[in-house]
Amino acid sequence: EPEVTQTPSHQVTQMGQEVILRCVPISNHLYFYWYRQILGQKVEFLVSFYNNEISEKSEIFDDQFSVERPDGSNFTLKIRSTKLEDSAMYFCASSERGTGGKLFFGSGTQLSVL
Amino acid sequence: QKEVEQDPGPLSVPEGAIVSLNCTYSNSAFQYFMWYRQYSRKGPELLMYTYSSGNKEDGRFTAQVDKSSKYISLFIRDSQPSDSATYLCAMSGDTNAGKSTFGDGTTLTVKP
Repeated sequence: EPEVTQTPSHQVTQMGQEVILRCVPISNHLYFYWYRQILGQKVEFLVSFYNNEISEKSEIFDDQFSVERPDGSNFTLKIRSTKLEDSAMYFCASSERGTGGKLFFGSGTQLSVL
Repeated sequence: QKEVEQDPGPLSVPEGAIVSLNCTYSNSAFQYFMWYRQYSRKGPELLMYTYSSGNKEDGRFTAQVDKSSKYISLFIRDSQPSDSATYLCAMSGDTNAGKSTFGDGTTLTVKP
């Protein structure tokens, strides 16, 4: 069964460092997303991406965040200068269509900012 | 008021019990209603998906949506220990339906 894969599964970084989280969405999906979940809190939307551009972003997704689809398979989330409060599980998701809410999530990258 | 409120739990039931999980919401624009299952430190897994009001059944799972009351439910029949997980309700509107708003989750434990 096709799945969304994320690497690395764990990332530890120092405050102020840049991190790049990587995702390979399901191959025939066209819509890509990043969500995050701070420990003990709910899953929160960060950004949606379609046709090589951001279609929507949340208030969390400030100038320190960026997304890119550098090639036909990868989808990345970059945090330019990490803060302690960026520590969370980051989930990549993809969907076949932009409507319908059927998201397929990866297993996540646990980001720890020290 | 939160946009999506989910019964907090945790919930502990004996094997074979019927489980009822519930969410309410305030945004009338929500059209798509999902239930995800999440195991510890894993990504949410889509369980049930409903568009607008009505019921949907899949095996032991039944999802109900009542848009007039802004209330959704997930029922699990003949619950099994393998159903032990956190259940998340999620909702989205017609535009950018991939932008889902999640509830806080209800942790369910099914005891053998």
